Amino acid sequence: DQQVKQNSPSLSVQEGRISILNCDYTNSMFDYFLWYKKYPAEGPTFLISISSIKDKNEDGRFTVFLNKSAKHLSLHIVPSQPGDSAVYFCAASARNFNKFYFGSGTKLNVKP
Amino acid sequence: DAGVIQSPRHEVTEMGQEVTLRCKPISGHDYLFWYRQTMMRGLELLIYFNNNVPIDDSGMPEDRFSAKMPNASFSTLKIQPSEPRDSAVYFCASSADRGRGTDTQYFGPGTRLTVL
Repeated sequence: DQQVKQNSPSLSVQEGRISILNCDYTNSMFDYFLWYKKYPAEGPTFLISISSIKDKNEDGRFTVFLNKSAKHLSLHIVPSQPGDSAVYFCAASARNFNKFYFGSGTKLNVKP
Repeated sequence: DAGVIQSPRHEVTEMGQEVTLRCKPISGHDYLFWYRQTMMRGLELLIYFNNNVPIDDSGMPEDRFSAKMPNASFSTLKIQPSEPRDSAVYFCASSADRGRGTDTQYFGPGTRLTVL
């Protein structure tokens, strides 16, 4: 049962433009969301998080938006850089859940 | 802090052999997770521990897989006997307890397992 879905397996963007990565979830109890970035041959690294009490969280070039009614979150990267090329995973959890549910990942390619 | 440490980074073995993967979590973290990443299934949670106690092993694929956490600074994932379909990258992650469940998880570099 895939509670967190990333329906786009890949995304290609030109350097300097905006990258938008999407994530949908099904469990309305989820109230804490993370994005991870993963380079080849490395473990996923934490990028940014958002709690359900917010609808937006920003950290430099990275902004995560949360739409609770649509059960949808997105990660915006502006401007995109070639070093952002990686696989991005979204993950969700809930109060008193002791684990995160991960999406299948979206591979972002930022072209110079 | 050195982060989550995993060993070995690469393991190549023959079908039927025992494989042991090792993990040292971040000091002070209360949770430890074992994941497997494959092309077909993405990032799968195999098992997780809280304060060294296994809490949920529902993701362990079959009895050939076992995991232990004898103390707060060490965990192992064992596959015996190994099969070619076990070939994957295995990640260990740890997290603190934020009082309402697990906090952000920090991943190790992974062990790439190849079973011939």
